[in-house]
Amino acid sequence: DTGVSQNPRHKITKRGQNVTFRCDPISEHNRLYWYRQTLGQGPEFLTYFQNEAQLEKSRLLSDRFSAERPKGSFSTLEIQRTEQGDSAMYLCASSFSGQGARGAFFGQGTRLTVV
Amino acid sequence: DQQVKQNSPSLSVQEGRISILNCDYTNSMFDYFLWYKKYPAEGPTFLISISSIKDKNEDGRFTVFLNKSAKHLSLHIVPSQPGDSAVYFCAATDRGSTLGRLYFGRGTQLTVWP
Repeated sequence: DTGVSQNPRHKITKRGQNVTFRCDPISEHNRLYWYRQTLGQGPEFLTYFQNEAQLEKSRLLSDRFSAERPKGSFSTLEIQRTEQGDSAMYLCASSFSGQGARGAFFGQGTRLTVV
Repeated sequence: DQQVKQNSPSLSVQEGRISILNCDYTNSMFDYFLWYKKYPAEGPTFLISISSIKDKNEDGRFTVFLNKSAKHLSLHIVPSQPGDSAVYFCAATDRGSTLGRLYFGRGTQLTVWP
């Protein structure tokens, strides 16, 4: 399968713990995006990378959130000192730079539950 | 501030009939619009899109209409099938955006019953 892969699919953590999610984009895609979807809402943009450079970050991405994409391949999203409000589906997407968000393919997401 | 709005959280349609899902936007800089379909526990899947230079785009049973003056678009599914039951998200990008950001509506849950 050459689609966008996200791991883990589900994560339950206690409040205050740190969590890290991984996204493996489609191999030829140089753009990678992170979105968050809470209950009853559509996906909300968090950040995106072109190759290894993080080019844009949303106001939603507080200081407790950090995203990396070393070597322009897979990406990780870390949440430090998790809060109950962080409970959401975290979606990763990838695309070619020429298409940008218009050609984005989404992964299946990581569902985070903070208890 | 919701720049893309889907005001109907749910729609129920009988199999074989037309499904019409609506979407409104407020940002006049948006120039490209997309519809995504999402099944439970899966990520959104691209369905169909339309550029602001067009007012209609058709792909099989799916047609998207764009009314720029009203800042309104709609997705028509004809004929509707039970397998179309899913959440449908409207999304938009702004002018010149080969950037990363898609703006999504809250989604409409479509249920197609036999």
